[in-house]
Amino acid sequence: QKEVEQNSGPLSVPEGAIASLNCTYSDRGSQSFFWYRQYSGKSPELIMFIYSNGDKEDGRFTAQLNKASQYVSLLIRDSQPSDSATYLCAVKTNTGNQFYFGTGTSLTVIP
Amino acid sequence: EPEVTQTPSHQVTQMGQEVILRCVPISNHLYFYWYRQILGQKVEFLVSFYNNEISEKSEIFDDQFSVERPDGSNFTLKIRSTKLEDSAMYFCASSDYLAGEQYFGPGTRLTVT
Repeated sequence: QKEVEQNSGPLSVPEGAIASLNCTYSDRGSQSFFWYRQYSGKSPELIMFIYSNGDKEDGRFTAQLNKASQYVSLLIRDSQPSDSATYLCAVKTNTGNQFYFGTGTSLTVIP
Repeated sequence: EPEVTQTPSHQVTQMGQEVILRCVPISNHLYFYWYRQILGQKVEFLVSFYNNEISEKSEIFDDQFSVERPDGSNFTLKIRSTKLEDSAMYFCASSDYLAGEQYFGPGTRLTVT
């Protein structure tokens, strides 16, 4: 059973703060990790992907991967009210090409 | 910027009827997917499609479901005899290589009454 776990939240942070979103996965053979943002009633929108251990930065977003701990996180710096959404962690294993999604973490950025 | 498109945006059908959901993947992508999301639940994989055949499918994708690429641009999901529990958002996605990031369409909201 391939599980992807996320804290459902809600997570509330003040505008300008750093939001930290976490995700753990059960399949040690997982090879690719993706963060999507989903506004209510909308489709998942790709934010970042990471394949290698360590950090990957893209603008205000940083993805962190630790394969030994089976843990991936997303940091959002200088959080804005427009960042308020549900953030989905998706994992692809080394067998097959489907993505396994977590249930998502709801983030609210308070002005 | 290229994007995945889906039609219709909302489909209402009666239980037992057949529905076809349509998708136009990003033009240079080779891998196509259908996912569904029941209200308030996680996004669930249904099927992936490559080189005109199904490459992987989940337990959800039973005999009532089928996919087709009828021409060079469209990718369809057919549900033969809809059930109440098929009510969900259905998302099409595409990627340009096997391990690559998947881009999602806006979704079709299917309501079975």
